[in-house]
Amino acid sequence: QAGLTQPPSVSKALRQTATLTCTGNSNNNVHNQGVAWLQQHQGHPPKLLSYRNNNRPSGISERFSASRSGNTASLTITGLQPEDEADYFCSTWDSSLSTWVFGGGTKLTVL
Amino acid sequence: QVQLVQSGAEVKKPGASVKVSCKASGYTLANYAMHWVRQAPGQTLEWMVYINVGNGNTKYSQTFQDRLTISTDTSANTAYMELSSLTSEDTAVYYCAREPYTYDFGMDVWGQGTTVTVSS
Repeated sequence: QAGLTQPPSVSKALRQTATLTCTGNSNNNVHNQGVAWLQQHQGHPPKLLSYRNNNRPSGISERFSASRSGNTASLTITGLQPEDEADYFCSTWDSSLSTWVFGGGTKLTVL
Repeated sequence: QVQLVQSGAEVKKPGASVKVSCKASGYTLANYAMHWVRQAPGQTLEWMVYINVGNGNTKYSQTFQDRLTISTDTSANTAYMELSSLTSEDTAVYYCAREPYTYDFGMDVWGQGTTVTVSS
C-alpha cells in the first residue's frame, strides 16, 4: 500500500473553514514522522505552509494550522479567501522506501 | 531577497542526459540543505534527492539513484542536478528547493522550476 492519501477535491464557501486530511500507512509513519504541508497555485512552484507537523515558516498566515492525530495529518484553513484556492500537498518520510513522499494533493475550491 | 533561480527549459531526446542548475541568491548555499523535486504534467510532486551542502551528505530516492547526479559549487552558490538515460516518463517540471537544517524536510524556498521535455 503506497503513499499518503488525500481527498482529490474539497469545496468550501468564502470565509468558511476547510480541513484537509492526509492519511498515511504503516510504512510512512505519519504518526511518528514529521509532516509538511505545501500550497501550489496553478503554474507556480509550491510554497511551504507548515513543517514538522505544526510549525509555520515566517510569513505564513495564522489562518493556516496543521495538526496530527494517529496516522492522519490535517491542515485547517480558517476564514477562506479567494487566494486560498489552490492545490495542497502533504508530505512525510517513508521509512520502508527511504524516500520523502508526497500525497496526491487536494484541490481546494473556494465558492 | 532570498531566491533560487533555475536554468531554462530543455528539450531532450530519449537516452540523453539533462543538467539543470539552481543559483542561490540572498543566502549562502552551504548554510542550508537542498532538494530536487519534480512534477510531471497534472501529477503530484516526486522527491528525487537531498544534499546537506555543508557536509556533502546525500539521500537519493531509490527511483533515481542509478542515473541521478547532484553537485554543488559553493564558490558560485549554485547547485546542479543531472539526470541521465532520459525517457518520455521524465518529462516534468524540475524544482530545486532549500531546506533549513532544522526543518525536517520542510522546503522553504523553491526555484521557479525548469521544464524538461523528452521527445524523439
